[in-house]
Amino acid sequence: DAKTTQPNSMESNEEEPVHLPCNHSTISGTDYIHWYRQLPSQGPEYVIHGLTSNVNNRMASLAIAEDRKSSTLILHRATLRDAAVYYCILRDRSNAGGTSYGKLTFGQGTILTVHP
Amino acid sequence: NAGVMQNPRHLVRRRGQEARLRCSPMKGHSHVYWYRQLPEEGLKFMVYLQKENIIDESGMPKERFSAEFPKEGPSILRIQQVVRGDSAAYFCASSPLPGAYEQYFGPGTRLTVT
Repeated sequence: DAKTTQPNSMESNEEEPVHLPCNHSTISGTDYIHWYRQLPSQGPEYVIHGLTSNVNNRMASLAIAEDRKSSTLILHRATLRDAAVYYCILRDRSNAGGTSYGKLTFGQGTILTVHP
Repeated sequence: NAGVMQNPRHLVRRRGQEARLRCSPMKGHSHVYWYRQLPEEGLKFMVYLQKENIIDESGMPKERFSAEFPKEGPSILRIQQVVRGDSAAYFCASSPLPGAYEQYFGPGTRLTVT
């Protein structure tokens, strides 16, 4: 799977929007962009995914650049509970069903701190 | 619908002992993945199993580690003759399909080797 680059850490204030960037300049046409987060002392949690169009769900929004070389996870109103490590992961859908597709390749992620 | 369950949540073993970590996937999920998170490091894939089959074990250390997912019962990650370097958090995830967009993770088992 292609590599992603994220800032090591970001800070936000409670109830303010947070924009978490991810660069993936070597993304291929069949790579989906996934975001997971890991709260302290918990297992990772799926947040959102997308291919080309921007996506919204109850947790967040995903904005994908037109050239797909970068994306941004948007938390519209950060809460203290959103303090976590956020991981941007690419998964090549052309391998879906193949033996190597199952694994998620986690990078270092972005540590998000939310201040009250 | 209960989530992915792992037990024990905390496990302490002396060097040389065996550790058995159990993972019960979500109901209806037949695909299980194990990941390891060493202290101050990121999550690393270990193994991907379907019922009674190992699909991808490319991240599993060649020695002392084994995994199974029998027809009945939970998936088991087994570590023989544990060493201090095995101390880590071990997470299990499950999905209903191999190409599923989302993997559901359990709370993890924290293994400490003394």
